[in-house]
Amino acid sequence: SQTIHQWPATLVQPVGSPLSLECTVEGTSNPNLYWYRQAAGRGLQLLFYSVGIGQISSEVPQNLSASRPQDRQFILSSKKLLLSDSGFYLCAWSPPGGRGHQPQHFGDGTRLSIL
Amino acid sequence: KQEVTQIPAALSVPEGENLVLNCSFTDSAIYNLQWFRQDPGKGLTSLLLIQSSQREQTSGRLNASLDKSSGRSTLYIAASQPGDSATYLCAVISNSGTSYGKLTFGQGTILTVHP
Repeated sequence: SQTIHQWPATLVQPVGSPLSLECTVEGTSNPNLYWYRQAAGRGLQLLFYSVGIGQISSEVPQNLSASRPQDRQFILSSKKLLLSDSGFYLCAWSPPGGRGHQPQHFGDGTRLSIL
Repeated sequence: KQEVTQIPAALSVPEGENLVLNCSFTDSAIYNLQWFRQDPGKGLTSLLLIQSSQREQTSGRLNASLDKSSGRSTLYIAASQPGDSATYLCAVISNSGTSYGKLTFGQGTILTVHP
C-alpha cells in the first residue's frame, strides 16, 4: 500500500532563516505531488504541484520554492522566511496520469511557526 | 475562478443524531468532488470521492451526494458519534479555466458531537 511521510511534524524558525520541508511517498511510481498551506483563518491553498522529476508548477507568487530531485521526493524550501510563512504545510500525492480523476492523499503536515 | 463554500461553519449535535453538511461550488465544470476529515493539528483523511458522472457515494455511515448542475454536494452522517467530531472539508477539481486540475477547498465545517 502507499504511504506518505512528512517531516518535521513541527518547526519553529526565526524570521530570515532558511527552510527545508521534506515529503516522500512509498508504494507508487511517478505520483503527482502537491504542497498546500493552511494558514490561520484561511482555507487550504495549493502552493506547488509536480507531475514528474524536475517538473514544478507554482500556483501563487511567494517566498517559497519547491523541488523534486527524485521520483517520490518533494521538497519545500525558502532562503529567508517571513512572518507570513507561518502555517500548516501539507504534502499530498495522487496516482500518475490525469490529475482530475484521482483522489489526493495527504500527509500528516508540518506546523511551521515563525518568530 | 472556482470558489467553494461550506455551510454551516460550525455544528454541534448530541450523539445519535443524523446530520447534513453542505458544500457549494461556483463552476460546475468539475472532474470530481472529494470530502475530507481533518482532526485538530493533523493532516487530511479522504472520506469519499464522487466523480462528476456520479450522483452519490456511500461508505459506512457516510453518504455524499453530488448535483453538479446546481453546484452542490451534501455529506450525510448517520447516527453521529463523539468520534465523528472533526473539521469536514469539501474540495473540487475543476476541468476548465484557471482552476483546471486543481483541488479547491472550502473553509470547512467544524463538527462537534457531544455525548
